[in-house]
Amino acid sequence: QVQLQESGPGLLKPSETLSLTCSVSGASISNYYWSWIRQSPGKGLEWIAYIYSSGTTNYNPSLKSRVTISMDTSKNQLSLKLSSVTAADTAVYYCTRDRSLYFDLWGRGTLVTVSS
Amino acid sequence: EIVLTQSPATLSLSPGERATLSCRASHRIGSYLAWYQQKPGQAPRLLIYEASNRATGIPARFSGSGSGTDFTLTISRLEPEDFAVYYCQQRSDWPSVTFGGGTKVEVK
Repeated sequence: QVQLQESGPGLLKPSETLSLTCSVSGASISNYYWSWIRQSPGKGLEWIAYIYSSGTTNYNPSLKSRVTISMDTSKNQLSLKLSSVTAADTAVYYCTRDRSLYFDLWGRGTLVTVSS
Repeated sequence: EIVLTQSPATLSLSPGERATLSCRASHRIGSYLAWYQQKPGQAPRLLIYEASNRATGIPARFSGSGSGTDFTLTISRLEPEDFAVYYCQQRSDWPSVTFGGGTKVEVK
């Protein structure tokens, strides 16, 4: 059974950098696409970025200047960094397996709050 | 950007009734539409992909239909565990992804 588990700081101050990790168990992250998606009351569900095991990445244009997605195949982990956070970045962040047209596996999500 | 509009925003029904949820795309998206179910405090769960294919483990009472700009998710007979929020999602203009605003199915 494949499981995804996000982890992160929970609370950040404005202008700080958000760093999240997704640990994948039950399957290798190789040969799949993986995406980060966030959900906030104001903006609903928003796709952030994807990465493929070859290292290919792609970003939501609205976040591209602040986001970096990466993966560590030796640890079977994905990572997301979002710089210069503001209150608008407050959301639940999900790690997902990306099947190109849809997302078939989701982690439980981690709540990130940006507040001074 | 392709916009997905879901209707109604809220659907009030009783267990055993049939639920019909709509998702309309601002541009034609072929059959590149998925549906998700989300319960409070949980992540979305994939129900339907490519408009009409049930995901692994999804009961047969869930069905999807449509193509182009108009799509429907039907729950043939509502079970108590089906009361939740449902989202549609498209990715016809790869890699861009958009989600609908959701339909809440609540107990009448």
